[in-house]
Amino acid sequence: GQSLEQPSEVTAVEGAIVQINCTYQTSGFYGLSWYQQHDGGAPTFLSYNALDGLEETGRFSSFLSRSDSYGYLLLQELQMKDSASYFCAVRASGGYQKVTFGTGTKLQVIP
Amino acid sequence: DSGVTQTPKHLITATGQRVTLRCSPRSGDLSVYWYQQSLDQGLQFLIQYYNGEERAKGNILERFSAQQFPDLHSELNLSSLELGDSALYFCASSLGGTTGEQYFGPGTRLTVT
Repeated sequence: GQSLEQPSEVTAVEGAIVQINCTYQTSGFYGLSWYQQHDGGAPTFLSYNALDGLEETGRFSSFLSRSDSYGYLLLQELQMKDSASYFCAVRASGGYQKVTFGTGTKLQVIP
Repeated sequence: DSGVTQTPKHLITATGQRVTLRCSPRSGDLSVYWYQQSLDQGLQFLIQYYNGEERAKGNILERFSAQQFPDLHSELNLSSLELGDSALYFCASSLGGTTGEQYFGPGTRLTVT
């Protein structure tokens, strides 16, 4: 099976940088995705790492290391509107090709 | 606005009943995914269809079924409803079958009483 673990909560100051980690146990997957979800809203796609390394999209960057079974989402120049839950997700490359979402990290940005 | 539409927005029904949730993917997307999100379970993948055919399967109960029609819209049927089925049901779409980039609809909130 697959499991993706994330810290449950993170608090950071407006304007700062925060890193949200995702550690996983899976036998094989296509890549690591990140989604943002505000309370009461739908998940919104942020980033996808098909290969190891860093992907940068504006203030957001995402990193994957398959050898370390680890990835992270980096948010820079934090804004109050970044307060939300963040999920990592993978799609298995074998079996039923199940999509698994991480446990989610609730980010609170404080002034 | 992701371009994915879901109806209805809210649904209240009684235990034992059957409901149908509908999803229209973004224009050009061939894949549709269904997810269940409840407070204590996070986002649970149910099933994926790609161009009309089942492509991937998650923890979908036997009481639940889905299909994707020739115009690519999809329906999720939930039957013999139980109180524990109360949740937010999201549909997502993507262009390809295995891409990690999915676009989510606004969701249907199902309440079973």
